[in-house]
Amino acid sequence: EAQVTQNPRYLITVTGKKLTVTCSQNMNHEYMSWYRQDPGLGLRQIYYSMNVEVTDKGDVPEGYKVSRKEKRNFPLILESPSPNQTSLYFCASSLYPRQGGETQYFGPGTRLLVL
Amino acid sequence: AQSVTQLGSHVSVSEGALVLLRCNYSSSVPPYLFWYVQYPNQGLQLLLKYTTGATLVKGINGFEAEFKKSETSFHLTKPSAHMSDAAEYFCAVSEGDDKIIFGKGTRLHILP
Repeated sequence: EAQVTQNPRYLITVTGKKLTVTCSQNMNHEYMSWYRQDPGLGLRQIYYSMNVEVTDKGDVPEGYKVSRKEKRNFPLILESPSPNQTSLYFCASSLYPRQGGETQYFGPGTRLLVL
Repeated sequence: AQSVTQLGSHVSVSEGALVLLRCNYSSSVPPYLFWYVQYPNQGLQLLLKYTTGATLVKGINGFEAEFKKSETSFHLTKPSAHMSDAAEYFCAVSEGDDKIIFGKGTRLHILP
């Protein structure tokens, strides 16, 4: 089954404790992206990647890191989480977007609470 | 730069009534337009999209949207609401590059 998986689905942590949220897709997609969803703000892009070893900042990259060492994986790293990073996080993937109008496939989400 | 405005963060309709969710966009080039739906505790999934060609686009679950360039709109409609349509709906715009912008979402409530 074609899918995007994220782990963990739920995470409670404390300020300053490094964490990683994994994302994996099995559709051989070049493009992968991380979003955060907050009430009243919709989805905001954190980082995206056009291919292996190619990453770029989205609209709200502060406090986050990403890496793309393999095509299928795109982990999101919070080196020193803070309470304002409490949010619902989605990973998404698609074919290379320069084809135009590519559909993004979303993971199920990771709900993060930083105390 | 492209942007998306969804009118109404919450919309309530009676079961069987017309659903109309409004989306206006701004783009400097012919846009690609999307509607995504998010059911409770799930990720987003594509409902429909406009790329080129016919301006009336049909999607899954009986939804459709019409691209109106003169009005810079891409409103989502469904003739008869069903309880299972209760969800959050996101309009999105892309200019065919690596950037896609999502609206803030409209939560659709279906009244019995």
